[in-house]
Amino acid sequence: DGGITQSPKYLFRKEGQNVTLSCEQNLNHDAMYWYRQDPGQGLRLIYYSQIVNDFQKGDIAEGYSVSREKKESFPLTVTSAQKNPTAFYLCASSIRDRGTEAFFGQGTRLTVV
Amino acid sequence: AQTVTQSQPEMSVQEAETVTLSCTYDTSESDYYLFWYKQPPSRQMILVIRQEAYKQQNATENRFSVNFQKAAKSFSLKISDSQLGDAAMYFCAYRNTFYNQGGKLIFGQGTELSVKP
Repeated sequence: DGGITQSPKYLFRKEGQNVTLSCEQNLNHDAMYWYRQDPGQGLRLIYYSQIVNDFQKGDIAEGYSVSREKKESFPLTVTSAQKNPTAFYLCASSIRDRGTEAFFGQGTRLTVV
Repeated sequence: AQTVTQSQPEMSVQEAETVTLSCTYDTSESDYYLFWYKQPPSRQMILVIRQEAYKQQNATENRFSVNFQKAAKSFSLKISDSQLGDAAMYFCAYRNTFYNQGGKLIFGQGTELSVKP
């Protein structure tokens, strides 16, 4: 089945540690996105990429980093510089076509302990 | 920078009635796309409906329809014959073309819709 897979579903991080959230898609989509969801704030864009080896900062990129070495993969690293990382993280992908919607993964819930 | 605003944090509708969710956006572009997504308690994002800015005709998908007012930068969602399964968080979203900022996709804050039996 084609789709987007995020792992893990739940992730716990100690303060001061970096963690990496995985996002893999087998839809042959060019564009991929990372969002953070907090209660009452909707989805905020962290990073996005439209082609391999290229990505752009979204609205809240500070404290996060990404890579796009393969078309299928767009991992997100939450660094120790991110002061309040506890949130729900969503990955999405889409083709580069007019009006095409983005497809989403199931999300990763990150909690700092 | 583009922004999307949903001014109704919560809405409630009686089963079988009609409800309209509001969305406004700000952009200087003439070519873009608009979407409504639904997020049920499972948190899986589901596309409800889409609208291309260059099309004047409002999009419809079964019980869901939009009122797209390009000049006013307004994009409301109307749900007719509301069902219990429509209860969810609804997000309005805006996307540039891929030739402009790589198809940047941004969302509003969401509207929590409850459906009363």
